Parts: sequence; structure tokens; C-alpha cells
Amino acid sequence: ILNVEQSPQSLHVQEGDSTNFTCSFPSSNFYALHWYRWETAKSPEALFVMTLNGDEKKKGRISATLNTKEGYSYLYIKGSQPEDSATYLCAFIPPNAGGTSYGKLTFGQGTILTVHP
Amino acid sequence: KAGVTQTPRYLIKTRGQQVTLSCSPISGHRSVSWYQQTPGQGLQFLFEYFSETQRNKGNFPGRFSGRQFSNSRSEMNVSTLELGDSALYLCASSFIPNQPQHFGDGTRLSIL
Repeated sequence: ILNVEQSPQSLHVQEGDSTNFTCSFPSSNFYALHWYRWETAKSPEALFVMTLNGDEKKKGRISATLNTKEGYSYLYIKGSQPEDSATYLCAFIPPNAGGTSYGKLTFGQGTILTVHP
Repeated sequence: KAGVTQTPRYLIKTRGQQVTLSCSPISGHRSVSWYQQTPGQGLQFLFEYFSETQRNKGNFPGRFSGRQFSNSRSEMNVSTLELGDSALYLCASSFIPNQPQHFGDGTRLSIL
């Protein structure tokens, strides 16, 4: 059973604060890591797909880093805004026997971010 | 381009019945995955289809099954419904399995 852990479970910040959260995954067997944002009453939206150790991806005020050797990824939000309030999910994909992957995503429980105006 | 469409949006069934949920992926997407979301368990992977073949299955009982058609549309079937099957069922599609997945709005299934 794969263990994908996200911390913290929830986070309350003030508008303008920068914040970050962590996704931990098995380091011994890695193919890719996805980050998604899930706003209330909407469907999950893809943020990043990360595949290489040392990867850094950025989308506006949101960025992510990846360390496959130690099995963690960080998501950073700079200058949080109320519209950033959502659940942030990471999903781990192991390789299959052939070294590729069939896209079986194992999700963490998510970090619930609330940004107060 | 139209997004992932799931039907129906809401469904109420009773224990012992069966249910079929439908998912139409984004045009051109060949990989379709299904997930179950319950309050205590988060998003749990059910299965993934690619070119009409189930290539991955999560840890769910055999009552949960699915299929994919030649136009990439997918259906999920749950037989002999139990109270614990009450959940939000999400479908997601991607062009190939490892690209970002695009999610539908889900079907909320309630079992009475």
C-alpha cells in the first residue's frame, strides 16, 4: 500500500501571507507527482506534473519543487489571496513493471488552505 | 473544447440496487480514470482505462466494474449497493495517462 502524506491537514493564513505545504511519498519507486487544487463546488484542477528530481515549476504565484531522493514535494503560494482558498492535493504515480506508468494516481488527504481577507 | 461530462450529477438508490454512471472525456483524450471520494477516505482510485482496456484497478470489491467504449466514453457500474458506497464519484481524462488529469464535476451517489 502506497503512503502519500500531506501536511499540514489545514492551514489558515491572512491575505498577503506566503505559505507552503508538503507532500511525502515513497522515494524508492517514483514515476511522477501531480499537484491539484480543488475549490469548493468545483472539480479538481491540475496545477503541476513533476517528474525529475530537482524539478521546479511555477504558475503565477504558485510554485512547486520536487525531491525524489528523499521523497517529498513542496508547494509554495506567494502573497496568498482569498481566491487561493481550496484543498491542495498531491498524487503519486509509481512506475509499472515496464518502467512506464499507466497513470494510477494515489492521492494524499490534501491540505485545506483558508485565506482570510 | 467541452470538458469532462459526467451523468447523472445526483443519484439516490437503495441498498441492493445497482447503478451505472457515465463519463464522456474531453475530445481526443483516451485515458479515463475513476475515483471515489468519501469524507474520511479522500480520493481513492477505482480504475483506469486506455483504448478500451482496463490497465489499473484500485482496491475495491468486484461489485465495482467499468468499461470504456471505442469513442473513449466510459461507464462505471456498482452492483448490490451498500450504504458505504455513498460517495462522490469523479471521472478524469487525459490524452495519455501521465499528463495532467481533467476532472468532471462528479456524480453524487446516495444510498438509502
